[in-house]
Order: sequence, then C-alpha cells, then structure tokens
Amino acid sequence: DAKTTQPNSMESNEEEPVHLPCNHSTISGTDYIHWYRQLPSQGPEYVIHGLTSNVNNRMASLAIAEDRKSSTLILHRATLRDAAVYYCIPIPGGGADGLTFGKGTHLIIQP
Amino acid sequence: DARVTQTPRDKVTEMGQEVTMRCQPILGHNTVFWYRQTMMQGLELLAYFRNRAPLDDSGMPKDRFSAEMPDATLATLKIQPSEPRDSAVYFCASGLGNRDYNEQFFGPGTRLTVL
Repeated sequence: DAKTTQPNSMESNEEEPVHLPCNHSTISGTDYIHWYRQLPSQGPEYVIHGLTSNVNNRMASLAIAEDRKSSTLILHRATLRDAAVYYCIPIPGGGADGLTFGKGTHLIIQP
Repeated sequence: DARVTQTPRDKVTEMGQEVTMRCQPILGHNTVFWYRQTMMQGLELLAYFRNRAPLDDSGMPKDRFSAEMPDATLATLKIQPSEPRDSAVYFCASGLGNRDYNEQFFGPGTRLTVL
C-alpha cells in the first residue's frame, strides 16, 4: 500500500478556504486517492476521490498534482461543522476493499 | 436517508465475558466491513465480507474474535472471551463493492469497555 504523509493538525478561520495537503510519493499508477473525514464522536465519512484529474463535489474539491505524488483537499468556505480529522487514503486500482487509515490531519476551525 | 445501524451503542463488560456487536448494512450494499479504533492504533480494518462471504479477516485476532453474516441484513462481531485490551470503538461500514462506486458508509460505532 502507498504510504501517506499529512500534517498532524491545521487551523483555519470560519468561512475561509482550507487547503489540506497529502503526500503519497509511493502511489502506483492505478491507485485512486480517496479522502474521508471523521467528525467528533462519529464514524468516518467519505468526502471525495480522484485518479488524475481534479474533482469537485458538493463537499469539497480535490486537486491532484501532475506527477500524482501529492494531492490537496480544498474546503472552499470552512464552517465549524468541518472541524474533523481528515484522512487521505490511496486505494489500489480504485478497489472495493478495506481502507487503510493513517493518522490524518486534525482540522481546527476558529469562529 | 439510508444509514448503517449498529447495536449496542455502548457496552461495558467484565473481562472474560462474551460480547456480540451487531450491524445492519444499508439495504442493497453487498460489502460489509468491521473496523476498530483506539487512541494508540487509530482505525484498523478487522474483517470484511462480500455477498456474505468472508473475504479478509487478517486484521482480526483469530483466537477470540469471530465475524459472521447470518443474512444480508445482519453482520455480527463476537469477542469471546473479552479482554481489557479489546476496549475500543468498533465501526461497521457497508458499500456497493464496486470499484467505480466504492464509497464506504460508516455506522455510529459501538464503544466497548472491558473492565
């Protein structure tokens, strides 16, 4: 499995954009990049995923570097509800197998 | 709004007792996962099933843990006998098992405390 590196924590202000980085330099060509987040006292929830192109959905945007060794999750206007631990997870071949979670980034949102 | 449900939400038991955790996956999902979360180890995959057949249980301590899917609407995780080191939050998740639509939906978890 590809190894990931994420900052332990990040802090942002409410209603400002947040860019959460992830390094996955050992990713293989067919690994999809998935992002999940875990709100306090809840189970993880899916945020977004992509392979090569940048992706947008109602929750966030995912920017993938051209060499695919890193990606950035973008929350366009953070709210207090976005305070969570964010996990970047490369998944071999897109796959429908179990997820390997790292330590993730603890995002703190200041009002 | 379809959700994964887990029971019980909280369980406190004494060492040596049997513990059974239950999960109802989202209707129509054919893949069910069990994860465990502790402060020390973070989130770990224990086992998963596809179409009720076990695909991987390599993350599960075999001597005391067992996972089953008696039918498509119920997955169980059993610990016998339980030990204090089993104290954790246990999450069940379900998905479509399709590489193009492989989002996993997690339940609220069962918080297990073994005294």
